[in-house]
Amino acid sequence: EPEVTQTPSHQVTQMGQEVILRCVPISNHLYFYWYRQILGQKVEFLVSFYNNEISEKSEIFDDQFSVERPDGSNFTLKIRSTKLEDSAMYFCASSEIAASGGEQYFGPGTRLTVT
Amino acid sequence: GDSVTQMEGPVTLSEEAFLTINCTYTATGYPSLFWYVQYPGEGLQLLLKATKADDKGSNKGFEATYRKETTSFHLEKGSVQVSDSAVYFCALRLRAAGNKLTFGGGTRVLVKP
Repeated sequence: EPEVTQTPSHQVTQMGQEVILRCVPISNHLYFYWYRQILGQKVEFLVSFYNNEISEKSEIFDDQFSVERPDGSNFTLKIRSTKLEDSAMYFCASSEIAASGGEQYFGPGTRLTVT
Repeated sequence: GDSVTQMEGPVTLSEEAFLTINCTYTATGYPSLFWYVQYPGEGLQLLLKATKADDKGSNKGFEATYRKETTSFHLEKGSVQVSDSAVYFCALRLRAAGNKLTFGGGTRVLVKP
């Protein structure tokens, strides 16, 4: 069964460093998403991406964040200058369609630890 | 704003016990409702969904009914197994809000043999 994959599974970085989290969505999917979950808190929407541009973003997704689909398979989340409060589990998701019936398939997540 | 509230865990049960996880929502429009499950070391998987009032979603013995009058979408299973041990997330999606999911805090369920 096709699945969304994410690398690395765990990333440790120092405050102020740039990190890139990588995702490989399901191959025929057209819509891509990033969510995050700070330990002990809710899963929060960050951004959605379609047709090589951001279609929606949350207040969390400020200028420190960017997303890119550099080739036909990868979807990346970059944090330019990490802060302690960026420590969280980051989930990538993809869906075939955006309609209400379009199921979002999630990856296993990348745990980001900022020290 | 739109939000989802679900009961805090952990919920610890014996095998074959009845499971219920409460979920209520607040939404400015008419949402679709979802339950996602996360098994250890894996991503979130859609368990079931309902897109309109009185719809019942069901899968793998789990059920949830969309109750507009009580703004609820409680998850139930009549007889749990050890393999049901996981974290369960209730979520909503509003068409007006694009395709983003708004999640509850998650409920960890531990089923003991």
